[in-house]
Amino acid sequence: SQQGEEDPQALSIQEGENATMNCSYKTSINNLQWYRQNSGRGLVHLILIRSNEREKHSGRLRVTLDTSKKSSSLLITASRAADTASYFCATDAGGSYIPTFGRGTSLIVHP
Amino acid sequence: DSGVTQTPKHLITATGQRVTLRCSPRSGDLSVYWYQQSLDQGLQFLIQYYNGEERAKGNILERFSAQQFPDLHSELNLSSLELGDSALYFCASSVGQRGDGSETQYFGPGTRLLVL
Repeated sequence: SQQGEEDPQALSIQEGENATMNCSYKTSINNLQWYRQNSGRGLVHLILIRSNEREKHSGRLRVTLDTSKKSSSLLITASRAADTASYFCATDAGGSYIPTFGRGTSLIVHP
Repeated sequence: DSGVTQTPKHLITATGQRVTLRCSPRSGDLSVYWYQQSLDQGLQFLIQYYNGEERAKGNILERFSAQQFPDLHSELNLSSLELGDSALYFCASSVGQRGDGSETQYFGPGTRLLVL
């Protein structure tokens, strides 16, 4: 099974609303990264949060990390139609430096 | 544009055939990663090369092989193709090989393989 699992699998919202997606993982990590994938295209790195950080911001993105719960959340504020994409979390599983990706959350933002 | 190029964009072939996918990493990146993305398996890590040497192996089948050349471009060879090999194949590159999972990977646009 995947190290990181995103939830929900799919999310549909209206433009202007906030979108929150979550990532849970099983083993301890050093870092957690979020990526975005537009339909059929390559993944694009969004943000990295280290295990000793609790929150990080980048533009309209806010990422939190709770190592005690082994979970992270990605919040997109004031969503736009262009945010429509799949979002993946990637973690280093148990010391491996190869990021392991979850199955992703599919976000649809309706104009 | 990530700076990572992959060719071809699309490939249609028959079962039992062999294909080669090509990847050129970003300028200055020494690590190349290969991934397979399918609807049922998600994004699966296949293999990583660093400066010409294999560094990590994931869920790569024995029918698949890869190499990284002195100019740092990489090729993924898929042989004895089966219907289930139909997927998107991504190449990604990164600067180096930190041991803490903090490497940012830059993904290419992918090669869509359809095995008929």
